[in-house]
Amino acid sequence: KQEVTQIPAALSVPEGENLVLNCSFTDSAIYNLQWFRQDPGKGLTSLLLIQSSQREQTSGRLNASLDKSSGRSTLYIAASQPGDSATYLCAARFSGNNRLAFGKGNQVVVIP
Amino acid sequence: EAGVTQFPSHSVIEKGQTVTLRCDPISGHDNLYWYRRVMGKEIKFLLHFVKESKQDESGMPNNRFLAERTGGTYSTLKVQPAELEDSGVYFCASSPWGRPGEQYFGPGTRLTVT
Repeated sequence: KQEVTQIPAALSVPEGENLVLNCSFTDSAIYNLQWFRQDPGKGLTSLLLIQSSQREQTSGRLNASLDKSSGRSTLYIAASQPGDSATYLCAARFSGNNRLAFGKGNQVVVIP
Repeated sequence: EAGVTQFPSHSVIEKGQTVTLRCDPISGHDNLYWYRRVMGKEIKFLLHFVKESKQDESGMPNNRFLAERTGGTYSTLKVQPAELEDSGVYFCASSPWGRPGEQYFGPGTRLTVT
């Protein structure tokens, strides 16, 4: 069964600290992995998309890594800001289909 | 370029009633997907259209759900009759031809069945 897990469900960090969010998946036959951000009442905003042939992607203060062999992806947010408070979702597209399999998300609060 | 839009943003209906959700994908996107998030659970795939054809409908929960995409443009998702467990947020996403993994999501429709 192709599943994606995100733990913990919620976390708080002081402003300025680096955020580390983890995502694990059960099937190493992954086509790509995507990190999304969701603000309350809003849709999903794609942050980073990592293809299976890549090990990491970077955009500004965000960096996401992908380790297929261990079934893990990590999202790093450097020098967190209150505006980074949101729910972060990890979604994998596994080989053989076009659907995204989502984790439940990490609800992040950055404390000023 | 306009993003994926969904209508309505919220819908409250009684058990047994019918509701129709609409999704307008990004113009030119051949792939259209429906997902759903029920309380406390992860977002789950419902179905995938390529143009007007259903490519994968393995995630549809039961025959009370009917999705259409006439003409390969906008899509509707009808729930008839609605049950309490259908409450949740219904997301639509679209992606360009040949790039199914690059999905752009709409804001979702929050459905409450009372």
